[in-house]
Amino acid sequence: EDKVVQSPLSLVVHEGDTVTLNCSYEVTNFRSLLWYKQEKKAPTFLFMLTSSGIEKKSGRLSSILDKKELFSILNITATQTGDSAIYLCAVVVGTASKLTFGTGTRLQVTL
Amino acid sequence: NAGVTQTPKFRVLKTGQSMTLLCAQDMNHEYMYWYRQDPGMGLRLIHYSVGEGTTAKGEVPDGYNVSRLKKQNFLLGLESAAPSQTSVYFCASSSGGLLEQFFGPGTRLTVL
Repeated sequence: EDKVVQSPLSLVVHEGDTVTLNCSYEVTNFRSLLWYKQEKKAPTFLFMLTSSGIEKKSGRLSSILDKKELFSILNITATQTGDSAIYLCAVVVGTASKLTFGTGTRLQVTL
Repeated sequence: NAGVTQTPKFRVLKTGQSMTLLCAQDMNHEYMYWYRQDPGMGLRLIHYSVGEGTTAKGEVPDGYNVSRLKKQNFLLGLESAAPSQTSVYFCASSSGGLLEQFFGPGTRLTVL
């Protein structure tokens, strides 16, 4: 059975802190790993990672994949209250590009 | 470009009632998916479709049926609703391959 595990489950930080969110996976027929941000409604896409060791970066967010150790991290530097959300990690498996999601990390950024 | 839309946004059903959730996308995507999201469980795949006229079961298909008669629409049906189907339902679509899935705004369903 495919499995994606995220840690921590929840996190409270002060504005300006740096956070690291973790995602490990055990799946068959791995194709890629995706990070999504979910605020009140639909998940919105952040990154797609397919190759080990290549960092993807967008502003204060960055992510990297380790296909040998089967994990990914999502870093957020200089956090802001607008970063408060659930961050979802998902792995694309199989030819139908199905997503297997982790349970998410709930991040709360306080003033 | 509306992206992925879902109707209705909210619904309350009594046990045993039936209903259909509609998902529509205007991005000409081949692949469409239905997920449910429950507290502490993440998103779980119910059914999916890799093209018009095709459907397949996901991780939690029991109690649901789907149809993809038109490329742009993917319908999720509950024939006899149960309280265990109380959840938030998300539809998503993609071009397939390694491309990301785009999500609709969700439908919050409560079964009493």
